[in-house]
Amino acid sequence: GNSVTQMEGPVTLSEEAFLTINCTYTATGYPSLFWYVQYPGEGLQLLLKATKADDKGSNKGFEATYRKETTSFHLEKGSVQVSDSAVYFCALSVVGGGTSYGKLTFGQGTILTVHP
Amino acid sequence: EPEVTQTPSHQVTQMGQEVILRCVPISNHLYFYWYRQILGQKVEFLVSFYNNEISEKSEIFDDQFSVERPDGSNFTLKIRSTKLEDSAMYFCASRPTSGSHNEQFFGPGTRLTVL
Repeated sequence: GNSVTQMEGPVTLSEEAFLTINCTYTATGYPSLFWYVQYPGEGLQLLLKATKADDKGSNKGFEATYRKETTSFHLEKGSVQVSDSAVYFCALSVVGGGTSYGKLTFGQGTILTVHP
Repeated sequence: EPEVTQTPSHQVTQMGQEVILRCVPISNHLYFYWYRQILGQKVEFLVSFYNNEISEKSEIFDDQFSVERPDGSNFTLKIRSTKLEDSAMYFCASRPTSGSHNEQFFGPGTRLTVL
């Protein structure tokens, strides 16, 4: 089956620090990979995505590269802000083959807190 | 910008009662999903729905759960006889058929509390 493993959290950083949240996956088939963000009291928002090996997804200063050889999709940001405080979820989806209709498989989430 | 909406935002019910959670997906989307998130845990897939029928469901989605698209716009999740362990945040999501490489758009969620 499919699974996603994220680094243990929570993560606490000072403003302007460098962020890495590790994500590795196992999948049957060729997955698309996603990072979703959940701000306090809100639903899930797509942060970025990558659909094939070596693709780099980026948005709002966050980046992640689809590494097929290491089955990883680590999230990075060079300089975090207080407003980045949220829960970050790595996820994958496999479509096709008549047995999968695009359901997302999520990691356990990583709580990020950024202090001024 | 089109968005997925969910009602109510918070539902409190007694154990054994039926609840219906409502979602309005984005209008031109054809794939619909329900997920749940128990407090402090990961988001879990419940069910997907396409062409007016369930296309995939998880082990969580047992006989107590059902989904419906009664009128071409609403997408509902019914829990027939709620249990304490059904307390969670329930998210609806939708996806268009093409062009988005599986990107799903999520609603803000309904927090279900079973007492």
